[in-house]
Order: sequence, then C-alpha cells, then structure tokens
Amino acid sequence: RKEVEQDPGPFNVPEGATVAFNCTYSNSASQSFFWYRQDCRKEPKLLMSVYSSGNEDGRFTAQLNRASQYISLLIRDSKLSDSATYLCVVRHSGGYNKLIFGAGTRLAVHP
Amino acid sequence: EAQVTQNPRYLITVTGKKLTVTCSQNMNHEYMSWYRQDPGLGLRQIYYSMNVEVTDKGDVPEGYKVSRKEKRNFPLILESPSPNQTSLYFCASSFRRGAEGYTFGSGTRLTVV
Repeated sequence: RKEVEQDPGPFNVPEGATVAFNCTYSNSASQSFFWYRQDCRKEPKLLMSVYSSGNEDGRFTAQLNRASQYISLLIRDSKLSDSATYLCVVRHSGGYNKLIFGAGTRLAVHP
Repeated sequence: EAQVTQNPRYLITVTGKKLTVTCSQNMNHEYMSWYRQDPGLGLRQIYYSMNVEVTDKGDVPEGYKVSRKEKRNFPLILESPSPNQTSLYFCASSFRRGAEGYTFGSGTRLTVV
C-alpha cells in the first residue's frame, strides 16, 4: 500500500465548475501537509500548505482531518489555467525534511 | 533569483556510459534531495543530504551515487546507466528544519538506450 494515496483521475470539468480532490495517508506520524501543482513535464510547485484548522487561498481551500488521515483540496470557479496534476504531499516528523509524494490527480478544465 | 538549477534538461545516453546530472542551489539550503518520477509511481526519493559531507539513501538508491562537497552543489552520478533508469529526475532543496516544502529544479529527462 502506498503511503500517500490519491485518485489518479483524470477529472474533466468545465470552466466555472467546483472540483474536489481527496488524499489519504497511512503514517500517523506525518507532521506537515501540502498540495503541490505540477504542469506537464515541469517541476512541482508548492500550491499551499494544509493546516489543521483548514485554510483558504483565493479559489483554493485545503482541509485536513488527522483522525481520518485525510486531506482535501477544493477548487472553486475552475479556470483553464488550473489544468495540471495536483500532488498530495506529507512530511514526517523527525530530524530531516523528507516529503512523501502521492502519485497525483490530473485535472483537465475545458471551455 | 532564488532557484535550483539542474543540468542537463534532456539527455539520451547508452547503457553503461557513466553520466552526471548537476544540481546547484543559491538559497543556502542545508537539505538537498534527488527524486525520480515515473508514470503512476509519483516522486520517489533516490538520495538526500542534510548538509555538507552528509548523505544518505532514499527509497530507490540502487544504481546511483551522490556527493555533497559544497553546500550549494549535489550532483547525481549514474556509474553504469541501465534502461530502467530512464526517467524524469528532479533535484530539490530546503532548509533542514521547518514546515516549508521544497524548491525544485526544472528536471532532467533521461533516456538510456
């Protein structure tokens, strides 16, 4: 079983739609959580960190449920430019900054 | 500009011919890491380094070597590349402690024939 699991998609949605991605992680010692965005064949870039209280950045909302070991990302009013792969990422506790990446969920927004 | 620089961006080589992929960062980060990305498998860590002269294996280290003689540089060495090392490689760096994520290089697409 992978340590970080995501639905691979693809999610095909029209512009303006609301789409939600889910992610589960298996290591209860995970300490920090992130969503990264990766455009085709390019490097992953940090989209947002995920806090226990939930957090919002414009059209993007991230939620964390530690009890269920579940992370979500909600995108409202989807834009064509949101088309990308979204990576769920967790960091373990401990002495070094190792990040564990999910395989990603692909989003395609169409006109 | 703060960045991680990888070279080359694309490389086609033959089985057994030693190669080095360079990685350099200008952010004074202690932590550097190499990942490979394959379809359906996500990013898997090859090696990491917590500081100068301190390196350790990640999840898929076989067939790779690294060195960290200077803080800014973390080259990835394939002594005898094989076709199963055909992949997309990313170098990343961060401060050692703290909750922030990584800064990634632009990637190296390696094909071994």
